[in-house]
Amino acid sequence: DAMVIQNPRYQVTQFGKPVTLSCSQTLNHNVMYWYQQKSSQAPKLLFHYYDKDFNNEADTPDNFQSRRPNTSFCFLDIRSPGLGDAAMYLCATSRDGQDYYNEQFFGPGTRLTVL
Amino acid sequence: DQQVKQNSPSLSVQEGRISILNCDYTNSMFDYFLWYKKYPAEGPTFLISISSIKDKNEDGRFTVFLNKSAKHLSLHIVPSQPGDSAVYFCAASALYGGSNYKLTFGKGTLLTVNP
Repeated sequence: DAMVIQNPRYQVTQFGKPVTLSCSQTLNHNVMYWYQQKSSQAPKLLFHYYDKDFNNEADTPDNFQSRRPNTSFCFLDIRSPGLGDAAMYLCATSRDGQDYYNEQFFGPGTRLTVL
Repeated sequence: DQQVKQNSPSLSVQEGRISILNCDYTNSMFDYFLWYKKYPAEGPTFLISISSIKDKNEDGRFTVFLNKSAKHLSLHIVPSQPGDSAVYFCAASALYGGSNYKLTFGKGTLLTVNP
């Protein structure tokens, strides 16, 4: 089945220790998104890639970076995690971000804990 | 500043009855609306959507109504089943930067359907 896969599902890191979250997709979609969702909050878009073009949200902290080495994979790097970065991180894909209906397909998420 | 609001954090209904989940928005540039369903430990999955040029879209037990003048949409589930118990996110799509569509999510409503 075509899908969006996130690894690991649970990640524990220490305050200030860099961490990388991984996302892969078998849908061959052009667009990949990273969202941060804190408890009882709406998923918040951090950035997205349209093919190789990186689009950062204006309020995404510099502490968050992303890489997309190929169509299938996208990584979220948190350079110096703080306690406030503990959250669920959701990866999503869409076939073409220029379609107004923009249905997005989500992975199961990675729950990040910062000690 | 929340552009998509789901004012009811939770809703509890009896099996077989109607579930009505509500969503309000403030941005008149939104032109497409989607509902996502999320089970614990899984990512959100697309449920149903509606274009801003329509006022109703039906898919089996699920119907979404859009009232553009009131900037309000609702999801009706009839009849409700225990398996419908999940968090439901309302999302709205708008064009940003001239070429890409992005989704803005509400905080979600936890629906519990009691047998």
